[in-house]
Amino acid sequence: DQQVKQNSPSLSVQEGRISILNCDYTNSMFDYFLWYKKYPAEGPTFLISISSIKDKNEDGRFTVFLNKSAKHLSLHIVPSQPGDSAVYFCAASADDYKLSFGAGTTVTVRA
Amino acid sequence: DAEITQSPRHKITETGRQVTLACHQTWNHNNMFWYRQDLGHGLRLIHYSYGVHDTNKGEVSDGYSVSRSNTEDLPLTLESAASSQTSVYFCASSTGGEETQYFGPGTRLLVL
Repeated sequence: DQQVKQNSPSLSVQEGRISILNCDYTNSMFDYFLWYKKYPAEGPTFLISISSIKDKNEDGRFTVFLNKSAKHLSLHIVPSQPGDSAVYFCAASADDYKLSFGAGTTVTVRA
Repeated sequence: DAEITQSPRHKITETGRQVTLACHQTWNHNNMFWYRQDLGHGLRLIHYSYGVHDTNKGEVSDGYSVSRSNTEDLPLTLESAASSQTSVYFCASSTGGEETQYFGPGTRLLVL
């Protein structure tokens, strides 16, 4: 039973526009959330995270929003660039250092 | 530079064979993890370790084992490889007080 869900398998966006990736979770014990980016034939790389005590965290072009009441988080990428084309995984932790991952969303940035 | 490496990067084996995938990190991280990535499932946790001589089962541990004899290494063994274990395997590590994990480059395993 997947506790972290990314319901959009793919997203296509024009270069310069905003990419919005969504993630839902079911486990109310999750208190730390992360986004990872993965290129083909490489391991996932950490992108940005947010603690449950916050509702927003920003790092350059990347912003993560957390809505605890809805058990929902989203990643905004503004502006989208060709190098952002990758698979993005949402992950969550219940303060036990283990991560539960979503199935991933493939982002394609069109020139 | 500190890093996390996996070997081999690609492996083809036959059903029933024992296979060991290596994972080595030089960050001196206490926590180490093994995941498998399959289409439609994301990354699923196989086994994990919080320190030397500590090992724990993840959500998909059947048919796999690990041992932690030092801080740097967490080898993953498939006792008797099955076609269902064809996948891409990722090792990751993290410090004792941090949730963020850092991943190796992966091992692509094909079981024929």
